[in-house]
Amino acid sequence: DVKVTQSSRYLVKRTGEKVFLECVQDMDHENMFWYRQDPGLGLRLIYFSYDVKMKEKGDIPEGYSVSREKKERFSLILESASTNQTSMYLCASSQGPTPYGYTFGSGTRLTVV
Amino acid sequence: QQQVKQSPQSLIVQKGGIPIINCAYENTAFDYFPWYQQFPGKGPALLIAIRPDVSEKKEGRFTISFNKSAKQFSLHIMDSQPGDSATYFCAASYSNQFYFGTGTSLTVIP
Repeated sequence: DVKVTQSSRYLVKRTGEKVFLECVQDMDHENMFWYRQDPGLGLRLIYFSYDVKMKEKGDIPEGYSVSREKKERFSLILESASTNQTSMYLCASSQGPTPYGYTFGSGTRLTVV
Repeated sequence: QQQVKQSPQSLIVQKGGIPIINCAYENTAFDYFPWYQQFPGKGPALLIAIRPDVSEKKEGRFTISFNKSAKQFSLHIMDSQPGDSATYFCAASYSNQFYFGTGTSLTVIP
């Protein structure tokens, strides 16, 4: 069964900490994405990557950065965590063109205190 | 700016009812319209999808109706069951990017 694995289900971090969220996919997918999910706002794209060492900003990149050193791994970095970054973070991957759609990980619920 | 508008935000139906979730879009470049189902504590999972060259697609109890001229599409769940209680997201895609609706929380009462 194909998988997108997010390293942590729940995280609690303090304001100002640097936070790393890790995502690994085993499907040899080219494309990887990071979303945050908030009630009433749906899924909002933070960053995405179509290739190793490539990254593109999504709709809400402020306060975040990403790293893709290997094809299977896509990391989201919160440079200095703030309380407004408390959210559910979802990683997804996809094969090149649609119609294959996304495969999502189970999410990481991050709480910043 | 929300590329895909989804309604209602929440929906409660009795078992056996037919909940309908609606989505609308503006960008005519979209060429793929999936629906995702998300259970609590899980990531969204692809449920059913349609291309704009067909007006309807059925998979089991789930049906997508697509109206290209109106730029609207909807999800119908036939004979709904308590196990269908979840959050449903519509999406629209082109050029390998997906734009999601804000989600509909469906509760099916036994």
